[in-house]
Order: sequence, then C-alpha cells, then structure tokens
Amino acid sequence: SAVISQKPSRDICQRGTSLTIQCQVDSQVTMMFWYRQQPGQSLTLIATANQGSEATYESGFVIDKFPISRPNLTFSTLTVSNMSPEDSSIYLCSVISPTNTGELFFGEGSRLTVL
Amino acid sequence: GDSVTQMEGPVTLSEEAFLTINCTYTATGYPSLFWYVQYPGEGLQLLLKATKADDKGSNKGFEATYRKETTSFHLEKGSVQVSDSAVYFCALFKRSYIPTFGRGTSLIVHP
Repeated sequence: SAVISQKPSRDICQRGTSLTIQCQVDSQVTMMFWYRQQPGQSLTLIATANQGSEATYESGFVIDKFPISRPNLTFSTLTVSNMSPEDSSIYLCSVISPTNTGELFFGEGSRLTVL
Repeated sequence: GDSVTQMEGPVTLSEEAFLTINCTYTATGYPSLFWYVQYPGEGLQLLLKATKADDKGSNKGFEATYRKETTSFHLEKGSVQVSDSAVYFCALFKRSYIPTFGRGTSLIVHP
C-alpha cells in the first residue's frame, strides 16, 4: 500500500492568486496523478506527473494554468494559477500501486474555495 | 476508448435495505475492475476489486462479480447502514494504461 499526505487540506483564496498543493508519498512511485473533483461531480484527470520529465496534461488542462513539479519519486506539487471561482474544487493526488495491479491510492484531497 | 458507466444517483435507501449500484464497462482486452468509496470529506479508498472474469470481490459486506459476458461489475450489499452513505466509483484498469473511472454514484442511507 501507499500512504499519501496532501496539504493544504483546505484553503480559501482570492481571485487572481495562485496556490500550490503538495503531495508526499511514503514510498517511491513512478506515476502520480492529479485529479479535480468539482462539487457533486466525478473525478477529472488533470495530468500525470512523471519524475524527470514534464507532466502529461489531459485535454482541457494546460501547463500555464496548472504547473506541476515532480522533483523525485515521492513528491509532487500542483499549482493552480490565477484562480477564479470556477477553480473551486477538491484536488486529489493519487498514485498507482507499486505492484502495478491497477489499484490507486489517494490523498485526502485539498478543498479549494476561490472568492 | 475504454469507458465505465454507472447508474445515476443519488440512491436513497432506508437502513437495512438491499443495495445495488450498476456498473458496466467498455474495454478491449482483459481489464481489472474496481470499486472505490469516498466518504464525506475524504479521498477515495479501494473498496473491492476483481482481476479476471467470474472473480468476486468482497469487503465490508459489499460484493461485486466480474461478468465478462455482460461487461458488468455491479456493487451489492444485503443490508446497508447509515455509515455506508458515501459516493461509490466504479473503475477499470489495464496494465500500462491510466485507470478509467465512472461518474460516481452517491448513496444516502436514512435511519
């Protein structure tokens, strides 16, 4: 299994500012995923964070808005830039089981409210 | 591409009622299938899984059987509790691919 710590757990931010969310895993993992979960909606994959290379973004998400860092195999950050109220969501960090069985482990999420 | 379809929610039940949440999938090859649960204010956690056809995953009284002939993985529980109120996600995984999630089904259990 993998234990994931995310912070902040929640924050209230002003429009136009940026916030960086941190994700720390207790073991080395190859792939880390960042998801967005808007109120009452399903998970939307933002990007896959790969160590040593640029993140791979899904359609509708761009690096300028959601820059991602992956300095090592246990840590990643997601920044939400120039925030607007539409960015109010839960942001979830996730890793896939090191045994590659397909099981995902999730952080508890970062609940972001933009005023 | 691969996809997972779940029944629309919310599903509202009384305590001790029988629960079924339908999940069907479309995928090439032989995916593994999962149910995740998200309790209020928390991240997702694995509830159960099945890795091949006819496998039954079970945990905490929940069960789901991997039916390849109907491409389904319906979640069932014989007697739900208020504490089961959560959002349930069906997902599939194929090796070397990113997992695919359904939209999630909210379950509300009343005393």
